[in-house]
Amino acid sequence: DVKVTQSSRYLVKRTGEKVFLECVQDMDHENMFWYRQDPGLGLRLIYFSYDVKMKEKGDIPEGYSVSREKKERFSLILESASTNQTSMYLCASSLDGTALNSPLHFGNGTRLTVT
Amino acid sequence: LAKTTQPISMDSYEGQEVNITCSHNNIATNDYITWYQQFPSQGPRFIIQGYKTKVTNEVASLFIPADRKSSTLSLPRVSLSDTAVYYCLVNTGFQKLVFGTGTRLLVSP
Repeated sequence: DVKVTQSSRYLVKRTGEKVFLECVQDMDHENMFWYRQDPGLGLRLIYFSYDVKMKEKGDIPEGYSVSREKKERFSLILESASTNQTSMYLCASSLDGTALNSPLHFGNGTRLTVT
Repeated sequence: LAKTTQPISMDSYEGQEVNITCSHNNIATNDYITWYQQFPSQGPRFIIQGYKTKVTNEVASLFIPADRKSSTLSLPRVSLSDTAVYYCLVNTGFQKLVFGTGTRLLVSP
C-alpha cells in the first residue's frame, strides 16, 4: 500500500519565519503535489511536480516555493510565513507522468499555524 | 476559469442510496473523473475513477453522461461510517487538477 508521510502533524511558526514542510512517498511515484485546505474553500493546488527537479505552479503559488531533489521527496517552502498561510497542508503523490490520470494518494496533512 | 461545483451538504439515513453530483464544465478531453472521500484529520482517500458511461467497484458507482460535463457518485445502502466529505477531481487542461467544492454527507441512524 502506498504511504505518503508528512514530517509534521502540527506546526506553529511566527510571522516572517522560513518554513519547510516535508513529504516523502515510498512507491516510486512520478508525480507529487502540494494542496492547502481551508474551510469553505476546499482543496487548492499550490504546486506540483512530475519529475525530479521539475515543478509546475498550481492555482495559488504566491508566497510558496517547492523543491524536488529526489523522486521520493517533495518539499514546500514558505519563504516568509504570514498569518494568511495558516492552513492545513496536504501532500499527495500519483503514479503516472504528465497524463495525471492515476489516483492521488494523500498524506494525513500538516496543520500549520502562523502567529 | 475552471469551475467544479458540488452541493455543499446532503443528509441521508442508513440503508439508503445516496447520489452526489459534480458539475465540471471545463474538463479536459482525454482525462478521467475521480472521486475521493475525506474523514476529519485525514487526507482524502480514492473511491472511484471513470472516463465515460458507468463504472462500478465494491464501494460505489460512477455515472458519467456523454458530454462529460458532470458526474454522479452513487453510494448504495450507506452506513454511519460513510459520513464524510466527498470530492470530485477533474483535470481541466494545462495539467491542472481541480477539486470540487466538496459535499458533506451526514448519515443518520
